[in-house]
Amino acid sequence: NAGVTQTPKFQVLKTGQSMTLQCAQDMNHNSMYWYRQDPGMGLRLIYYSASEGTTDKGEVPNGYNVSRLNKREFSLRLESAAPSQTSVYFCASSEGVTYTDTQYFGPGTRLTVL
Amino acid sequence: DAKTTQPNSMESNEEEPVHLPCNHSTISGTDYIHWYRQLPSQGPEYVIHGLTSNVNNRMASLAIAEDRKSSTLILHRATLRDAAVYYCILRSANSNSGYALNFGKGTSLLVTP
Repeated sequence: NAGVTQTPKFQVLKTGQSMTLQCAQDMNHNSMYWYRQDPGMGLRLIYYSASEGTTDKGEVPNGYNVSRLNKREFSLRLESAAPSQTSVYFCASSEGVTYTDTQYFGPGTRLTVL
Repeated sequence: DAKTTQPNSMESNEEEPVHLPCNHSTISGTDYIHWYRQLPSQGPEYVIHGLTSNVNNRMASLAIAEDRKSSTLILHRATLRDAAVYYCILRSANSNSGYALNFGKGTSLLVTP
């Protein structure tokens, strides 16, 4: 099992460009998440999908959109990238959204916006 | 929401035990204590969790104070691979936001040979 995979691993964008970060999991999990991590900080939740067909905002959703394409895939889109969105983006998945559900993380996408 | 307080950094020698403290003085009775760690340039990974009793697994042990206002993650024999940032996180069993992993800054553990 690959677990949680993310593409691309690295990306450089210019201000105003758009891009989509891809995430897939092969653990048959119901729930998926997108986090961002700024230098020296902990992770902050951008959006999550409790189950296929649903998405909800997290702590820092402004400037992002998400799509739960199917049970396996959850994408994050930046419509008009800004330098403040320079960060490392992590996707995660879990069986459910309860307090005991362990979240499994991907390796991250390192995004720089110039 | 209840908050956690951890030291910014700690240092340990290889093959010695490490005790990573976490204070959570405003913890509620339905908050579970979770620990995740993040190795350099990787995503976080689950370590252990507990409610009231001490817990053990293959990675670590979790010691929870009787009043639950603090807890300690114990790595019994630190290896170089244990060098990581360790996050102590409270997750509520009594709210709709039980999914939330509220990462603070964590404790950066340095392991020296």
